[in-house]
Amino acid sequence: NAGVTQTPKFQVLKTGQSMTLQCAQDMNHNSMYWYRQDPGMGLRLIYYSASEGTTDKGEVPNGYNVSRLNKREFSLRLESAAPSQTSVYFCASRDETGANSPLHFGNGTRLTVT
Amino acid sequence: AQSVAQPEDQVNVAEGNPLTVKCTYSVSGNPYLFWYVQYPNRGLQFLLKYITGDNLVKGSYGFEAEFNKSQTSFHLKKPSALVSDSALYFCAVRDFYSNYQLIWGAGTKLIIKP
Repeated sequence: NAGVTQTPKFQVLKTGQSMTLQCAQDMNHNSMYWYRQDPGMGLRLIYYSASEGTTDKGEVPNGYNVSRLNKREFSLRLESAAPSQTSVYFCASRDETGANSPLHFGNGTRLTVT
Repeated sequence: AQSVAQPEDQVNVAEGNPLTVKCTYSVSGNPYLFWYVQYPNRGLQFLLKYITGDNLVKGSYGFEAEFNKSQTSFHLKKPSALVSDSALYFCAVRDFYSNYQLIWGAGTKLIIKP
């Protein structure tokens, strides 16, 4: 049981380049999330998807787009990367049948934009 | 505004001693509180949660947390620290005004010295 799988693990981009971060979960969860983690700032929600076919903005959506491809997969796209997007990105999923069920996280993608 | 604070960036404890990682919150209504742990180069893992009921909540790896409504605190505790407990710990509270998403503390680095 792999849980939440993120690819790639590391990426270096030049300013203006684009890329897509991939996330897949095998737990049949309805909800999926993208967070970024920056030192001293905890986690900040970028986008989330409460169910297949729906996406919503989180706290810091600017500069990002998402696609909920199917129930398993939720991708995050940077169309024109900026140095301010240097961060560690985490995908998470949750079983919404429990109102306060925990988040399950992937191991993260460490992105550097130069 | 709803918020959560972790007042200590780092906590140092000798192995075998009790440990406490502090968390305070500010919410309207009853708080739903969570603790997660992050080991190096890994995603966050759920430790425990308080929703209602007993003020002392037991979780994974021997951790527990004490909910104190009058002090608006939810401190994480363990009676006897292990070197393997060294990690980054995050407190979070559910935000009733943002579609029940989590508000995260900045994290506390716990270092257990042999």
